[in-house]
Amino acid sequence: GAGVSQTPSNKVTEKGKYVELRCDPISGHTALYWYRQSLGQGPEFLIYFQGTGAADDSGLPNDRFFAVRPEGSVSTLKIQRTERGDSAVYLCASSLRVGAKNIQYFGAGTRLSVL
Amino acid sequence: RKEVEQDPGPFNVPEGATVAFNCTYSNSASQSFFWYRQDCRKEPKLLMSVYSSGNEDGRFTAQLNRASQYISLLIRDSKLSDSATYLCVVNGQAGTALIFGKGTTLSVSS
Repeated sequence: GAGVSQTPSNKVTEKGKYVELRCDPISGHTALYWYRQSLGQGPEFLIYFQGTGAADDSGLPNDRFFAVRPEGSVSTLKIQRTERGDSAVYLCASSLRVGAKNIQYFGAGTRLSVL
Repeated sequence: RKEVEQDPGPFNVPEGATVAFNCTYSNSASQSFFWYRQDCRKEPKLLMSVYSSGNEDGRFTAQLNRASQYISLLIRDSKLSDSATYLCVVNGQAGTALIFGKGTTLSVSS
């Protein structure tokens, strides 16, 4: 597809479980970003990748959150021991390259509900 | 203080009205500025970039005042289809992560 693809679109899990959220960026985009959006708030930055490496993970809330991008394309956000407070929409974005002038394009997000 | 602050809203206006949104940002090192639009339960989509000289795209005009750290968006001749949440966005200090405001909700009615 032409845009950023995220799967699943919805995920319901129980407290304490492990979840993986997948992002497939726009072809050729080297930079990939993860954000989290809670109800009534703007998206909040979690982590970004330039190629395969995590260039900035300062937004990850704690060590239960981890993300990988092993081949520099698809990325997976992993959440261990989920908590009810993790419920949110997880958005992925990609851009052609890292930098101030590069527009970030967003996927439709994964809506995570932790019961 | 939040890094990006916006008018609380919601803004409820009739079709054809002119409406203005304001936004302030705290980090003077911010490099790029944007307005994104987000429809209910959808992803944010770029509406327009904001330049120091001001820029216009059809009915939409954006202004940036770096000295005051202030950004604005003006929508003229509002349409029903303009109903959405408008997010004020700046690049983080590293020029990478986007910092979003909470958003301002606009509802245009006939």
